[in-house]
Amino acid sequence: KAGVTQTPRYLIKTRGQQVTLSCSPISGHRSVSWYQQTPGQGLQFLFEYFSETQRNKGNFPGRFSGRQFSNSRSEMNVSTLELGDSALYLCASSLALAVGELFFGEGSRLTVL
Amino acid sequence: GIQVEQSPPDLILQEGANSTLRCNFSDSVNNLQWFHQNPWGQLINLFYIPSGTKQNGRLSATTVATERYSLLYISSSQTTDSGVYFCAVEGRNRDDKIIFGKGTRLHILP
Repeated sequence: KAGVTQTPRYLIKTRGQQVTLSCSPISGHRSVSWYQQTPGQGLQFLFEYFSETQRNKGNFPGRFSGRQFSNSRSEMNVSTLELGDSALYLCASSLALAVGELFFGEGSRLTVL
Repeated sequence: GIQVEQSPPDLILQEGANSTLRCNFSDSVNNLQWFHQNPWGQLINLFYIPSGTKQNGRLSATTVATERYSLLYISSSQTTDSGVYFCAVEGRNRDDKIIFGKGTRLHILP
């Protein structure tokens, strides 16, 4: 069965712009979580969604937001982009909240100029 | 929150050698996974192992939950094993987030 799909894979934005990233989980998986990876901070948890509700949130400013749709697909949005938002954004899906294995997509690599 | 420490941070080995990577965590956990990050950035599942021992080919992992550590063993290393290995844990409290260690960068020389 298909894995976790993230789009777009690469994108370049300028400071002040906003960006929306998309994640389609493995079929049947209902939980989607997002992570930011940077060389300085490593892999950091952004948020987790289950049944269209945000269940947990990491320590990121309000410029970072997300949502989940009824088909479990999720989007995350970063508004008013800053240079420091340049990162690899990874999405993972799992069967249910806080249960079992995480399966990751290939990531969306964002560069902010 | 839970602290996760991985060691060593870097490891350089000759092809064919064996290696042991360690993950220490500061509190009880519900979930623990090991991942290998490939050169394109994707995290590949190796083991889901909150406790016990599992083996998959040349790789095996052991988690001793009572002592709060997990070990990943790689035997007969190949150059394709190069990359960064992460362990990730999730605590038992309702609000616990998934925490990743900083990873072990493994470089296998031909």
